Amino acid sequence: GNSVTQMEGPVTLSEEAFLTINCTYTATGYPSLFWYVQYPGEGLQLLLKATKADDKGSNKGFEATYRKETTSFHLEKGSVQVSDSAVYFCALKSGANSKLTFGKGITLSVRP
Amino acid sequence: AAGVIQSPRHLIKEKRETATLKCYPIPRHDTVYWYQQGPGQDPQFLISFYEKMQSDKGSIPDRFSAQQFSDYHSELNMSSLELGDSALYFCASSAPAGANVLTFGAGSRLTVL
Repeated sequence: GNSVTQMEGPVTLSEEAFLTINCTYTATGYPSLFWYVQYPGEGLQLLLKATKADDKGSNKGFEATYRKETTSFHLEKGSVQVSDSAVYFCALKSGANSKLTFGKGITLSVRP
Repeated sequence: AAGVIQSPRHLIKEKRETATLKCYPIPRHDTVYWYQQGPGQDPQFLISFYEKMQSDKGSIPDRFSAQQFSDYHSELNMSSLELGDSALYFCASSAPAGANVLTFGAGSRLTVL
């Protein structure tokens, strides 16, 4: 079945540091890949997505590239801000109307 | 833009009581998904509905049931509540076209005492 593996956390960075959060997946077919973000006390918000191999999703300075050869979708940001402190979930979806499968999530804390 | 609306936002129940959560999807979205998120956990898929029919089932306890109504809103019914049912319950919806994106509601926090 489908599964998503995220690097273990938590991650603590200083403001303006470079961020990489690793995500790999196992799936049949050609899934779509997503990063969702959950700020403290809030719901899940779509951060970015990629629907096919070599697609790059980007939003708010975050980027992730769909790498089929390595089955990865690592999240990167060149310069993090305190406001980026949240839990980040990598997820995949195999087709229309199918469920979203989440990774375990990783907590990012950015200190001033 | 309209979002996914969940109610109630907070709910406190005693053990063995019942609870009902409601979800109103984004207009013209035809698929609804329910997820349960325990403290510090990733969201776990419970059940989904497409065009008012159950489309997929995950780790939903037998004590729980759900349905999607003719106006596409959905309700999650939970009976014989246990302490372990305390969690955030998220509803999400997706559209027929480009149906790969789920939009989540703000969640309903259930506390079982």
